[in-house]
Amino acid sequence: AQSVTQPDIHITVSEGASLELRCNYSYGATPYLFWYVQSPGQGLQLLLKYFSGDTLVQGIKGFEAEFKRSQSSFNLRKPSVHWSDAAEYFCAVGAGTDKLIFGTGTRLQVFP
Amino acid sequence: DVKVTQSSRYLVKRTGEKVFLECVQDMDHENMFWYRQDPGLGLRLIYFSYDVKMKEKGDIPEGYSVSREKKERFSLILESASTNQTSMYLCASSPIVGRNQETQYFGPGTRLLVL
Repeated sequence: AQSVTQPDIHITVSEGASLELRCNYSYGATPYLFWYVQSPGQGLQLLLKYFSGDTLVQGIKGFEAEFKRSQSSFNLRKPSVHWSDAAEYFCAVGAGTDKLIFGTGTRLQVFP
Repeated sequence: DVKVTQSSRYLVKRTGEKVFLECVQDMDHENMFWYRQDPGLGLRLIYFSYDVKMKEKGDIPEGYSVSREKKERFSLILESASTNQTSMYLCASSPIVGRNQETQYFGPGTRLLVL
């Protein structure tokens, strides 16, 4: 069965520091991969997605993610975090149907 | 921009009440979804609809039903609310475009408290 693992429940970084959020998936074929962000009290907003082609994907708000088939990973990165990036981040995999399978999320806290 | 709206941001109901959560999307999307979000559990799919009057159970359909009479509107119904249904409910929609897995667009969520 398809699954998504976000091993870090909570991450704390200082403003200006670099960030990497981990995501591992389980799926037999090439997956469709997504990162969403949820600000407090809000719905989910798409940051970026990977369908095919270049394995390094650029998204909104300065985020990028790299698809690594050999590691079954799709980690999210940002070179310099801003206080407004504090939120919860969800990785999701689309497994050939119209449905998505979401990870349990990583809560990012940013210290000034 | 795609807009998905949910009828209430916050809702307080009593155990045993019938609860309706409404979701409307304005982009003519075929697919609509209801999720439940709980701390540490991420998003879990309750029901999914791929067309008017069509529905499919998700991972946790027990205690819920849905209705889709019009393409733009997808309702989640709690027939008899229970305290373990206290949660954040998120609605989403997505188009069907060829064979691609398309992006889901989310509403702001309804935080439901059942007393």
